[in-house]
Amino acid sequence: QSVLTQPPSASGTPGQRVTISCSGSRYNIGSNTVNWYQQLPGTAPKILIYSNNQRPSGVPDRFSGSKSGTSASLAISGLQSEDEADYYCAAWDDSLNGLVFGGGTKLTVL
Amino acid sequence: QVQLVQSGAEVKQPGASVKVSCKSSGYTFTSNYMHWVRQAPGQGLEWMGLISPSGGSTTYAQVFQGRVTMTSDTSTSTVYMDLSSLRSEDTAVYYCARDQGFSGYTLDSWGQGTLVTVSS
Repeated sequence: QSVLTQPPSASGTPGQRVTISCSGSRYNIGSNTVNWYQQLPGTAPKILIYSNNQRPSGVPDRFSGSKSGTSASLAISGLQSEDEADYYCAAWDDSLNGLVFGGGTKLTVL
Repeated sequence: QVQLVQSGAEVKQPGASVKVSCKSSGYTFTSNYMHWVRQAPGQGLEWMGLISPSGGSTTYAQVFQGRVTMTSDTSTSTVYMDLSSLRSEDTAVYYCARDQGFSGYTLDSWGQGTLVTVSS
């Protein structure tokens, strides 16, 4: 049981917009910034969004993040086949004094 | 560019210990925390802890306290993760990941992962 809650799966067709939610508590998302990681099959995770809504250089602007209260969302617009991956949210938890991850969302491009 | 190169796959018996290394290059080793994250087969990411390579201070996830030790060697820019009393549930890919250093524990570079298999 992960501290942050994500839907286990999401899907969309090429060109569509998809959102992935991440729900936490006042101890993690409610008081700290949220990061999103993309893990392509068989590879190490990669930072996709940091500080709730910032994109590292090289990440397409099709990816965007937002946060409100104790929840966060990752949006992917103009869905492409190469976006098929697992996506994880993460935040520091002040109660646990540690980094917590969501359980991950497997995105399928139909 | 930042590179994190981890040691090779390990097979261990239950009850044994494993030590995984992570050698850094392309940046000032002592300037950024290093985290360890593991991923069991077909499962999600699990944070294990972090180390400050400059002073050696550590923060461990509660679930691993007493079983994990993280150390650093500034002379070789290498951090180590030692996990003891291994059980089958510790079978996983173990990753080191560099902390970005300026925004909320962002892991901006990852090692390639080390598969640790615990089996009798």
